[in-house]
Amino acid sequence: QITLKESGPTLVKPTETLTVTCTVSGFSLTTGGVAVAWIRQPPGKALEWLALIFGNDDQRYSPSLRSRLAITRDTSKKQVVLTMTDMEPADTATFFCAHKDSGMTDFDYWGQGTLVTVSS
Amino acid sequence: SSVLTQPPAVSVAPGQTASISCGGDDVGRPSLHWYQQKPGQAPVLVVYDDSVRPSGIPERFSGFKSGNTATLTISRVEAGDEADYYCQVWNSNSNIIFGGGTKLTVL
Repeated sequence: QITLKESGPTLVKPTETLTVTCTVSGFSLTTGGVAVAWIRQPPGKALEWLALIFGNDDQRYSPSLRSRLAITRDTSKKQVVLTMTDMEPADTATFFCAHKDSGMTDFDYWGQGTLVTVSS
Repeated sequence: SSVLTQPPAVSVAPGQTASISCGGDDVGRPSLHWYQQKPGQAPVLVVYDDSVRPSGIPERFSGFKSGNTATLTISRVEAGDEADYYCQVWNSNSNIIFGGGTKLTVL
C-alpha cells in the first residue's frame, strides 16, 4: 500500500534554511503523471500548497513562495526533499507530503506531517 | 490570485444534514475535491472529482457543483464527523489552491 512519511528538524532558527524529507513506499516516483506535493499548515490555520514534483521531474511551486523553495527527489532512496530558505517565525507549521495519482488532481494519500517551529 | 471561499464554521445537530460551501471563479474548473481533517491528523480525501467518494468513505458524504459553487453535504451527521473540511482545485495557472477551511461542529 502507499505510504508517505515526513522527517526533518523540529526547530529552526530565523534566517536558516529548512530541509524536510518525504520517504515514500508503495509507488514509483518516476511513474508518468504521479506526483508528490508538499503542503503546510500553520497552527490553527488552513492548508497551503507549497510545491510539487512529477514523475518526469517537472516541478511546480506556489507563486507566492517560489523564490524560497526547491523540491528535488532521490529515486534510489524513494525520497522527495523540500528546502525552504530564509525561515521566519511566520513559517512555523506542520509540513505534509501527499501523493497524486496519474491523471488525477486530488491527493489521495498523505503523510502524518511534521511540525517545524521557527524560533531563536 | 485564486481564492476558494468557505464559511469559517457550520453547526449541526446529530442526525441532521450539514452543507459546506466552496465558492470562487476556479470552482468552475474540472475536478474539485474535499478533505476532512480531524485535530492532530492529516487530511483525508472524502470526495474527489466534484462528487466521487473514495473507497471506505460513507455514502453519507456527497459532493455537488453548480457554476462557481461547490457543496459538500453530510447526511445523518454523527459526532465523529466533527472536523475541519477543505476544498481544493488546480486553478487555471496549474497552481493548487485550498479553501480556507470550515469547522464543522456537531451540537
